[in-house]
Amino acid sequence: AQSVSQHNHHVILSEAASLELGCNYSYGGTVNLFWYVQYPGQHLQLLLKYFSGDPLVKGIKGFEAEFIKSKFSFNLRKPSVQWSDTAEYFCAVKGNDMRFGAGTRLTVKP
Amino acid sequence: EADIYQTPRYLVIGTGKKITLECSQTMGHDKMYWYQQDPGMELHLIHYSYGVNSTEKGDLSSESTVSRIRTEHFPLTLESARPSHTSQYLCASTQPNRQRVTNEKLFFGSGTQLSVL
Repeated sequence: AQSVSQHNHHVILSEAASLELGCNYSYGGTVNLFWYVQYPGQHLQLLLKYFSGDPLVKGIKGFEAEFIKSKFSFNLRKPSVQWSDTAEYFCAVKGNDMRFGAGTRLTVKP
Repeated sequence: EADIYQTPRYLVIGTGKKITLECSQTMGHDKMYWYQQDPGMELHLIHYSYGVNSTEKGDLSSESTVSRIRTEHFPLTLESARPSHTSQYLCASTQPNRQRVTNEKLFFGSGTQLSVL
């Protein structure tokens, strides 16, 4: 069975700073990769997903993620964060079944 | 470490059967959720609950029902399973932060893979 690791438990940034959230997984087969976001008081929303093709995936709200197969990584990036990006971010991997990382809390200071 | 459990892990049943997917958490969380995920697709919220005797339908129309008689237990029932119900079902829970100072932490169960023949 696969596993997912999110390296950062809590990230604090100032507005306009660049963001990179790490996600690594362990699984030997073909995977689908996802990043979800949960804003305070709301449900999960899909930010972006990778199934195949271009390993650089662009999502909503200016987010992107790059799948590096050799590193088993799918890191989430945003060039310039905003206060409204404050949320919990979950990386997820679908292999045999679905696995979620523990989540990274992002706090953006105005 | 999160303590949220789903059973069964895998289930294969015939069309027309009534099934209940179990979800329990020992963290005393008020909020619980059921998500459905078709192969290769993203999650869709099908039901949620903000506490005992509180249940709401989510974004995805589903022929399923839920109940929340006890805080720790949030079962999902399909009265008459169909092949279109074949999917993975994920349960999650969180404790709302009443001060809204920090984000709520979402914990997931390991999922139930349902196949309806």
